[in-house]
Amino acid sequence: KNEVEQSPQNLTAQEGEFITINCSYSVGISALHWLQQHPGGGIVSLFMLSSGKKKHGRLIATINIQEKHSSLHITASHPRDSAVYICAVSLYSGGGADGLTFGKGTHLIIQP
Amino acid sequence: NAGVTQTPKFQVLKTGQSMTLQCAQDMNHEYMSWYRQDPGMGLRLIHYSVGAGITDQGEVPNGYNVSRSTTEDFPLRLLSAAPSQTSVYFCATVISSGSSYNEQFFGPGTRLTVL
Repeated sequence: KNEVEQSPQNLTAQEGEFITINCSYSVGISALHWLQQHPGGGIVSLFMLSSGKKKHGRLIATINIQEKHSSLHITASHPRDSAVYICAVSLYSGGGADGLTFGKGTHLIIQP
Repeated sequence: NAGVTQTPKFQVLKTGQSMTLQCAQDMNHEYMSWYRQDPGMGLRLIHYSVGAGITDQGEVPNGYNVSRSTTEDFPLRLLSAAPSQTSVYFCATVISSGSSYNEQFFGPGTRLTVL
């Protein structure tokens, strides 16, 4: 069974700070996903990675397949980035067509 | 294009009652999944479907039933509700594996309380 561990569980930072959230997993995967869940519950897909690095606006996601580790970075953080960030992995198909295995999430609060 | 819709948004049941959580999508995605989210735990896969007529169990399938008669709909049935099924339920779809970009699309969730 694949275990997905995220750290930290909770993170409070000041507006403008550089944020890093980490994710590690125990077995080989086909892809890793980063998701965002705002208060009120909606879940949005941020990235899907199978290697290397992706960037979207102020968000950057990296993955090291050999070390079974991924990081999500937020540059110039803003209060609207406050949310739960969730790491998930798909074992057999890139998109997780057979379902994803999730970490417990990192609760991020950005204070003005 | 409504994306992924779920009904109802909220539901309260008594132990032993049955009900169906509805999930519908208008994106013609082949793959659909049901997850539950509980405090202190990550989302967990209940059942998934790789196309009409094909379903399979996930990590926590006991007490739930699914069917997939059309591409658009993937209902989740609680056969005899138990307090342990109190949770928030999310339906998700993903573009078929032929796409190079396999983004997950989540519905807004159904908050279920079983008394």
